[in-house]
Amino acid sequence: DQQVKQNSPSLSVQEGRISILNCDYTNSMFDYFLWYKKYPAEGPTFLISISSIKDKNEDGRFTVFLNKSAKHLSLHIVPSQPGDSAVYFCAATRGGADGLTFGKGTHLIIQP
Amino acid sequence: ETGVTQSPTHLIKTRGQQVTLRCSSQSGHNTVSWYQQALGQGPQFIFQYYREEENGRGNFPPRFSGLQFPNYSSELNVNALELDDSALYLCASSPGTGLGYTFGSGTRLTVV
Repeated sequence: DQQVKQNSPSLSVQEGRISILNCDYTNSMFDYFLWYKKYPAEGPTFLISISSIKDKNEDGRFTVFLNKSAKHLSLHIVPSQPGDSAVYFCAATRGGADGLTFGKGTHLIIQP
Repeated sequence: ETGVTQSPTHLIKTRGQQVTLRCSSQSGHNTVSWYQQALGQGPQFIFQYYREEENGRGNFPPRFSGLQFPNYSSELNVNALELDDSALYLCASSPGTGLGYTFGSGTRLTVV
């Protein structure tokens, strides 16, 4: 039973345009949601997070939106740059010692 | 400030054998967690240690065990290896039992 789902295995976006990565979850007990970026042969790198009490969080080119009623979150990258090409993982947690529950990832490809 | 380092980077073992993977936490981090990432999947939470005690565990059998040492470094031990244990094993450390996880680059384990 997958509690965090990323339904798009890959996404191709032109450089300079907006990239939108989507994530759905089923467990209403999740309190925090995070996005990680992963390059080949490297560990996941934290990008941005959002608490369940908020609906938006911004950090530079990255914005995460949370829709609790729809159990859906999205990551917006504006403008997209070639270095953004990587696998993006959505993760959720109840906090404490519960660990992170990850989606399967979306491979973002930024085309010149 | 050093990051999270894992050793070895690659390992090949035979089915039925035992393996020990090692992780050095980022300086100042007293919590370490381990994840298994199978090919094409997101990382799956194995367990978490806080101040040398296991305080959280995912859906993994008891043959997956761990240790955390006074210097907050950690080991993951897997007994009676199965072919399905072939995966990338990621270690993550954090300054508490909340968020702020920093991941290492992982150990690629192949079981033949």
